Formats: sequence, C-alpha cells, structure tokens
Amino acid sequence: NAGVTQTPKFRVLKTGQSMTLLCAQDMNHEYMYWYRQDPGMGLRLIHYSVGEGTTAKGEVPDGYNVSRLKKQNFLLGLESAAPSQTSVYFCASRPGAPRQFFGPGTRLTVL
Amino acid sequence: GESVGLHLPTLSVQEGDNSIINCAYSNSASDYFIWYKQESGKGPQFIIDIRSNMDKRQGQRVTVLLNKTVKHLSLQIAATQPGDSAVYFCAENMRGANSKLTFGKGITLSVRP
Repeated sequence: NAGVTQTPKFRVLKTGQSMTLLCAQDMNHEYMYWYRQDPGMGLRLIHYSVGEGTTAKGEVPDGYNVSRLKKQNFLLGLESAAPSQTSVYFCASRPGAPRQFFGPGTRLTVL
Repeated sequence: GESVGLHLPTLSVQEGDNSIINCAYSNSASDYFIWYKQESGKGPQFIIDIRSNMDKRQGQRVTVLLNKTVKHLSLQIAATQPGDSAVYFCAENMRGANSKLTFGKGITLSVRP
C-alpha cells in the first residue's frame, strides 16, 4: 500500500493563478482532510470529507474549494492564489477510528 | 506546552536520557488523544494513542500518560536517540466534534550527541 500520496510535492505560483492539489489514498478510508501548516501555527483544518460526494468547511476554508468525486481522491483547489496561501499543505485520511494518516505534504509558494 | 509565537518551544536532551514532552489539551469532553512525530520536510507520523478511559499506555520506548483532572497529556521517550529529533505534537478528538482532531502547535525535541 502506498498509503496517502500528494501531488505535486512543490509548486510556485504567481498571485492570481489557480491550481489543484491532489490527495489519493489506497486504504479505503471514509474520511479525508486537508490541512495547512504555517510556522508556529500548527495544523489548521481547511476542509474535510466524511465520505464520497461530501465535503465540509474546517477552520480556515476561505480561498479554497474541495471535491470528493471518488472515495480515494480528495482535491483541494485554489481559484486565485494569494501570498497568504503560501504554506505547506497536508492531506490526511482515516477509517472509522479517529487516528489520521498523513501524506508527505505539498510545499506551495505564492509570489 | 503550547506555543503562541512563531517559534516552537524546544526541549534539548542528551542522547541516552529520557525525554518528557508535555501537552495541555483544551476540552474536558475529549475522549481520544494522539501523539504525532514530524521530521523535517515530512508529514506527521503516528506514535501512540490513548483513550480517555485509560491513564497510561506503553509502546516501544514510548509511554503516554493522561491526567484528565488537569487536562494534561505527556509523552515519555526512553533512551532518546538522535533519530528522535523532530517536532512532536498532540491531538485531541472531542466527543461529538464531527470527525475532527484538534492539534497542538508542537514542541521541538533536539537530541544532543
């Protein structure tokens, strides 16, 4: 099993550009999450999904959209990137139990 | 403990010594707690977890202690090794929190050779 994978690993955007981050898991987990991690701030929840076809807002959803069309994939979109969205983005998934399994992260820089 | 600034608090220990990393959690309704380890440039990795009906749980070289009276969680690492150098953070699952974990800001563990 590959576990949780994220694409791409690194990306540099200019202000106003759009992009999509892909998260994939091969563990048949129901729940999936997108977090951002900034220095000294810990992990902050952007959006999450409790099953295929569902999404919900987390703590910091503004400027992001998500989709969960397939159970194994959770996409995070930035429609118009801003420098404040420079961060490291982590995807996680879990089965019924609360323990979350994390991907390796995507480092995004918005100039 | 928790950090409110840009820099995480750091715990420096000598290789071979035992390490104790502390975490204060926020909600008395939390029923499940996890410790994660995050190495530089990597995603968080699960270390150990504990449910609220337990006070202590042991793993390989690690022990988690839960004090519900003062809402305190600690991670003990025996015979600390250089490979233990990382950021450690706790997370709590609040009963009824709709599938979400709340994460602490983390503590940096630095192991001196």
